[in-house]
Amino acid sequence: GAVVSQHPSRVICKSGTSVKIECRSLDFQATTMFWYRQFPKQSLMLMATSNEGSKATYEQGVEKDKFLINHASLTLSTLTVTSAHPEDSSFYICSASIQGIGEAFFGQGTRLTVV
Amino acid sequence: AQSVTQPDIHITVSEGASLELRCNYSYGATPYLFWYVQSPGQGLQLLLKYFSGDTLVQGIKGFEAEFKRSQSSFNLRKPSVHWSDAAEYFCAVGNLINTGTASKLTFGTGTRLQVTL
Repeated sequence: GAVVSQHPSRVICKSGTSVKIECRSLDFQATTMFWYRQFPKQSLMLMATSNEGSKATYEQGVEKDKFLINHASLTLSTLTVTSAHPEDSSFYICSASIQGIGEAFFGQGTRLTVV
Repeated sequence: AQSVTQPDIHITVSEGASLELRCNYSYGATPYLFWYVQSPGQGLQLLLKYFSGDTLVQGIKGFEAEFKRSQSSFNLRKPSVHWSDAAEYFCAVGNLINTGTASKLTFGTGTRLQVTL
């Protein structure tokens, strides 16, 4: 149980285009979903926290107009990288939490390459 | 603000040797501590977690970690390393909200483990 699926696992897009990453909780309803970004050979940095039906809370320094987060249901959150540029190339990972459970569950990540 | 320090960027051990990965945290309240493992290009797999109780916690794949409040440490150990343990290891600290629900995590910079045969 407690499986989180991210799609796509890899994506290559042209500079200036937008790309959407989906994060789904397959067998549970997620109280909250979190989006992290990981630069090559570096740690994971929290980008934003999202709750179903409300606006995401972004960490300081994260451009909310560039990284659009939509959390339309208790099982789906999406991250859209708008007008992507090569510096947005990174590994994006989502996680989801369950009410009353102290562990968050991670997706397998999405490798974004902007060319 | 909470923070996690993993002082060792890269560690190399021989297969069969013991392993200890260090983790120090800074947190204003009761810390909830985690160790994750990440293989190249993959997501995170939880090895073990500490919320309360026994300060020595057992995890998957033969890993264990000991919480030492006086040292603000949560070091990961394995008595005998296997070649398949080669990966990146992350220590993380978080908190619980809303009756025990996991909240955001702060990660350390990771330790890359290399295993020689």
